[in-house]
Amino acid sequence: NFMLTQPHSVSESPGKTVTISCTRSSGSIASNYVQWYQQRPGSAPTTVIYEDNQRPSGVPDRFSGSIDSSSNSASLTISGLKTEDEADYYCQSYDSSIYWVFGGGTKLTVL
Amino acid sequence: EVQLVESGGGLVQPGGSLRLSCAASGFTFSSYWMSWVRQAPGKGLEWVANIKQDGSEKYYVDSVKGRFTISRDNAKNSLYLQMNSLRAEDTAVYYCAGSPVGWLVHYWGQGTLVTVSS
Repeated sequence: NFMLTQPHSVSESPGKTVTISCTRSSGSIASNYVQWYQQRPGSAPTTVIYEDNQRPSGVPDRFSGSIDSSSNSASLTISGLKTEDEADYYCQSYDSSIYWVFGGGTKLTVL
Repeated sequence: EVQLVESGGGLVQPGGSLRLSCAASGFTFSSYWMSWVRQAPGKGLEWVANIKQDGSEKYYVDSVKGRFTISRDNAKNSLYLQMNSLRAEDTAVYYCAGSPVGWLVHYWGQGTLVTVSS
């Protein structure tokens, strides 16, 4: 099976833009949808992006998702950073057998 | 309002069994794929198992195959995870999750803690 690799941590200032990457180890990133989940400290995860670039209702349009076949990676971009965006972010995809894979998670610090 | 409420977690000895339940409300449960996702203390998310809307398809991560069984009762809007031959490495918060399709999560529960220790 494949792996999804994320940076361990990123940090940025309020109001700025940050991008978190998620690189697939084998197989095409474009062959299966990528999702992104936010987990604030002490809370359950929530879904912020699904199917590469779709936002669930209630998620602000400051959150966007994309995929890049040239780097075989997906990205989560958060613009206009707020302190409430400070959280762990996980990417997730799957194979043809609906076998899910999560990335290791990225801790976003807004300082 | 969508709610997924897990129950059944607790402390169990290695080799023991536990059955987790998830009560769903606020959406058409029988139209949703359901999943269990776990998170060991201080670690990341790990997918455990999925079950199709009618229960006809079930998928498991390799580390729990043959030990865990996912099931559902659409009449009771409930999801279950029967966990046997538990190991210390199964210690985690177990989240119930649902989606109209099998490859993602739309709704998450709040989780229930399972601790495997002597």
